[in-house]
Amino acid sequence: DVKVTQSSRYLVKRTGEKVFLECVQDMDHENMFWYRQDPGLGLRLIYFSYDVKMKEKGDIPEGYSVSREKKERFSLILESASTNQTSMYLCASSVDSNQPQHFGDGTRLSIL
Amino acid sequence: EDQVTQSPEALRLQEGESSSLNCSYTVSGLRGLFWYRQDPGKGPEFLFTLYSAGEEKEKERLKATLTKKESFLHITAPKPEDSATYLCAVQVRSGNTPLVFGKGTRLSVIA
Repeated sequence: DVKVTQSSRYLVKRTGEKVFLECVQDMDHENMFWYRQDPGLGLRLIYFSYDVKMKEKGDIPEGYSVSREKKERFSLILESASTNQTSMYLCASSVDSNQPQHFGDGTRLSIL
Repeated sequence: EDQVTQSPEALRLQEGESSSLNCSYTVSGLRGLFWYRQDPGKGPEFLFTLYSAGEEKEKERLKATLTKKESFLHITAPKPEDSATYLCAVQVRSGNTPLVFGKGTRLSVIA
């Protein structure tokens, strides 16, 4: 089975802090994705990557950046955390765009 | 603009009461449609992929169907453990474009 592991289930940070969310997949998938999920808004794509060292902006990239130095790891960075970035963050990976994405269990991030 | 709309937003069923969830899409060209199940506090879990109109997939009490404009997730004789949010997503056009997700249907099955 595909395993997508997010480093933290719950995280509490202060406004202005730089926050790192880590995601690792063990299936040699090319594609990796970061979403946030908020009540009433559904899943919104922040950034995605189709290859190592490659990244593309999703629908809501403002205030975020990403890093993909190795194929299996995709990191989401909140440059200066703000309270409106309190959310559930989900990482996903897929073999290619015609195959389903497989998700991690998410990180519930609270910014105080 | 590519859009995916799921209905109803929420559905409450008695145990054993069969029903269907709807996923309608307006996209430039469908390459695939995916159904997911999401339990509270967890990430979405993949259920089915459908690629062409007329295709059907089944898993236990769930059956997914696809037409040119919509997909249905039929739930036969549901049990309380089927309670979850069900998400639909479409893959559009060709090449590496991200999935377009609907907002989900929250299903509650009451014993």
